[in-house]
Amino acid sequence: DGGITQSPKYLFRKEGQNVTLSCEQNLNHDAMYWYRQDPGQGLRLIYYSQIVNDFQKGDIAEGYSVSREKKESFPLTVTSAQKNPTAFYLCASSIVASRGVQHFGDGTRLSIL
Amino acid sequence: GESVGLHLPTLSVQEGDNSIINCAYSNSASDYFIWYKQESGKGPQFIIDIRSNMDKRQGQRVTVLLNKTVKHLSLQIAATQPGDSAVYFCAENTGPGNQFYFGTGTSLTVIP
Repeated sequence: DGGITQSPKYLFRKEGQNVTLSCEQNLNHDAMYWYRQDPGQGLRLIYYSQIVNDFQKGDIAEGYSVSREKKESFPLTVTSAQKNPTAFYLCASSIVASRGVQHFGDGTRLSIL
Repeated sequence: GESVGLHLPTLSVQEGDNSIINCAYSNSASDYFIWYKQESGKGPQFIIDIRSNMDKRQGQRVTVLLNKTVKHLSLQIAATQPGDSAVYFCAENTGPGNQFYFGTGTSLTVIP
């Protein structure tokens, strides 16, 4: 089945540690996105990528980094500079960048040890 | 940023009744809207979308109404079932190349 796979489902980070969240899609979508979801708040855009080897910052990019070396993969690294990383992270993809319906993965919940 | 809000954070309905979930948006330039359903611990699922050149669109048991005059969007679910229990939120977009902005969500609970 076509879809978006995020891994791991749960992730724990120690202080000062970088962690990388995986996002893979087999929908052949050009655009991919990373959102952060906190209780009581709407999804907030961290980074997005419209094509391979290109990405743009969203509203809350500080403390995060991404790469887009392959069309189907868009990993997110939460760096030690992100002081409040505990959240539910959602990856999405769409056929058309920032316009088409975004299809989401089932998320990664990141917690701090 | 854009403001997309929901009037009611929680909604409880009896099984079989109709549900109405509301969403207010602040940017009159928004011309594309999507409703998502999110079950606990999962990612959002697309329900239905509507463009600003329409004021109503129907899907299977769901209807979205768009009132551009008051910048209001609603999702109607007919004959609500226990499987409809989830958080519902809307998203708006102001045009190609622009990002979506998402509401905070309404938690729908269906009482058997």
